[in-house]
Amino acid sequence: DQQVKQNSPSLSVQEGRISILNCDYTNSMFDYFLWYKKYPAEGPTFLISISSIKDKNEDGRFTVFLNKSAKHLSLHIVPSQPGDSAVYFCAASEGGSYIPTFGRGTSLIVHP
Amino acid sequence: KAGVTQTPRYLIKTRGQQVTLSCSPISGHRSVSWYQQTPGQGLQFLFEYFSETQRNKGNFPGRFSGRQFSNSRSEMNVSTLELGDSALYLCASSPGSMRGNNEQFFGPGTRLTVL
Repeated sequence: DQQVKQNSPSLSVQEGRISILNCDYTNSMFDYFLWYKKYPAEGPTFLISISSIKDKNEDGRFTVFLNKSAKHLSLHIVPSQPGDSAVYFCAASEGGSYIPTFGRGTSLIVHP
Repeated sequence: KAGVTQTPRYLIKTRGQQVTLSCSPISGHRSVSWYQQTPGQGLQFLFEYFSETQRNKGNFPGRFSGRQFSNSRSEMNVSTLELGDSALYLCASSPGSMRGNNEQFFGPGTRLTVL
């Protein structure tokens, strides 16, 4: 049973526009959320995170929004660039765990 | 600080063989996790080692095993390889001593192809 779901396997966006990647979770004990980015033939790299005590966290072009009541988070990339084309993984962890639970990923393609 | 390294980067084996993959974590990190990535399945957690002990385990058959050495380096072994074991195997390290917000640092992975 998937506790972290990324229901869109892929997303295509025009350069300069906003990319919105979504993630839903089922475990109400999750209190820390992370986004990773993965290029082909490389391991995932940490992008941005958010604690459950916040509803928004920004880092440059990347913003993560958390809606605890809906058990939903989203990653916004503004403006999108071709170099952002990658697979994005959402991950979540609860206070009692040492490792996060990952979603299946969303492949983002940003067209020039 | 050097990142997480994995060897070999690519491996081709035939069904029935066994394989051993190696991972060296970031210096000072005591937790090493292993993941299998296949198209459409995302990152599936295999197991996590901390201070030479398996601390967490995913839902993989017993053909998948691992170990961790005193210097935190880890190996993963897959016996009696099946075609479905073809995947990218990723290793991730973290300090591991804190519950909750553990950012993991990934290696580049080992691409295993089973023929």
